[in-house]
Amino acid sequence: AQSVTQLDSQVPVFEEAPVELRCNYSSSVSVYLFWYVQYPNQGLQLLLKYLSGSTLVKGINGFEAEFNKSQTSFHLRKPSVHISDTAEYFCAVSDRLRSGGYQKVTFGTGTKLQVIP
Amino acid sequence: SAVISQKPSRDICQRGTSLTIQCQVDSQVTMMFWYRQQPGQSLTLIATANQGSEATYESGFVIDKFPISRPNLTFSTLTVSNMSPEDSSIYLCSVDKGAGSTEAFFGQGTRLTVV
Repeated sequence: AQSVTQLDSQVPVFEEAPVELRCNYSSSVSVYLFWYVQYPNQGLQLLLKYLSGSTLVKGINGFEAEFNKSQTSFHLRKPSVHISDTAEYFCAVSDRLRSGGYQKVTFGTGTKLQVIP
Repeated sequence: SAVISQKPSRDICQRGTSLTIQCQVDSQVTMMFWYRQQPGQSLTLIATANQGSEATYESGFVIDKFPISRPNLTFSTLTVSNMSPEDSSIYLCSVDKGAGSTEAFFGQGTRLTVV
């Protein structure tokens, strides 16, 4: 079984300030890690993913995330946020082993990022 | 990648009625998934649909309430039956492109309001 914890339900931040959205996971098997973004009234868009290799992953729109195996974390960061980054961000994990023949994705509860002008 | 089209994008329905949501993918996929996102909450998997077999439902979801069809490798439907206001949610279709794929792809979602 796997689970994802996003500790912050809402994060307000001023425009051009840095932001970190926290994500911790637990799993009994090796996982892939993802961050998805959901803009108002839209579906999910993949921001970035960690599969293997370098623990620092760069995604779209200037976001990056760092995989920390010892802390079982995958925090999302951006050095300078823009108004257009206002959205809900979901951390997710999926089973590398494709149990049952497909990847079962488990989502966190989401973090609403509110960028303040 | 995969391009997924969901219809309708939104609807307002009367309680007691049913709504069928369509999901069309631009390529053949083995597995399709239906999620529910209730207001202010994360995504919850309703069921997994494999072409040619009955859908597999997660705990708390039953076929009578959420019948699913998967007639071919590019299409699926989810019906929300005998709706109540508690069914007001965003419903999302997702696909897995099979072995070698490392991410899930999502449709834009169907925003359902039951009055």
